[in-house]
Amino acid sequence: NAGVTQTPKFRILKIGQSMTLQCAQDMNHNYMYWYRQDPGMGLKLIYYSVGAGITDKGEVPNGYNVSRSTTEDFPLRLELAAPSQTSVYFCASRGGPWGQPQHFGDGTRLSIL
Amino acid sequence: TQLLEQSPQFLSIQEGENLTVYCNSSSVFSSLQWYRQEPGEGPVLLVTVVTGGEVKKLKRLTFQFGDARKDSSLHITAAQPGDTGLYLCAGALNAGNMLTFGGGTRLMVKP
Repeated sequence: NAGVTQTPKFRILKIGQSMTLQCAQDMNHNYMYWYRQDPGMGLKLIYYSVGAGITDKGEVPNGYNVSRSTTEDFPLRLELAAPSQTSVYFCASRGGPWGQPQHFGDGTRLSIL
Repeated sequence: TQLLEQSPQFLSIQEGENLTVYCNSSSVFSSLQWYRQEPGEGPVLLVTVVTGGEVKKLKRLTFQFGDARKDSSLHITAAQPGDTGLYLCAGALNAGNMLTFGGGTRLMVKP
């Protein structure tokens, strides 16, 4: 079972560069989420989607963009990387009501220098 | 200020000891979840509580949801080194689509 797959696992960017963090799930889940986790901290929601074609902002959306053209994929784009975006990024998916678990990927560790 | 405050932030104990982690808020949650995260991995769900006053047990772990659905606790009995990790509480407001996470409690259990 693949579950939620994130690529790449590690990346170093220079200030001002752009990149896309990939997230794919094979569980046919409608709900997908992007979080960032700073060292020793909890998770902060960046963007989320309740289905293909529908996205919405979370707590910390500035500097990021998302799209959801298919149920399976939910890429996160950084247009102009800044040092404050150095973090570990987690993608998650959920199939239904909150009684069901939110499945997380293993994260992408991003450093911006 | 975080919507969900976890305490303590760090806890280092000896194998066999008991411990309690707290998750507090001034907001009412429709449901609350506890996750455990190991280094280099994503969080893994331990339990979901939905009813005020609810108590759930998972082997040596006991979870409680406050009567007013504003707080929760996680109690571990006879902690083992395998319990070491980051414990996160997360709450859903008004059955919404977003989950708000606490800052986490980092637990280390020494053999």
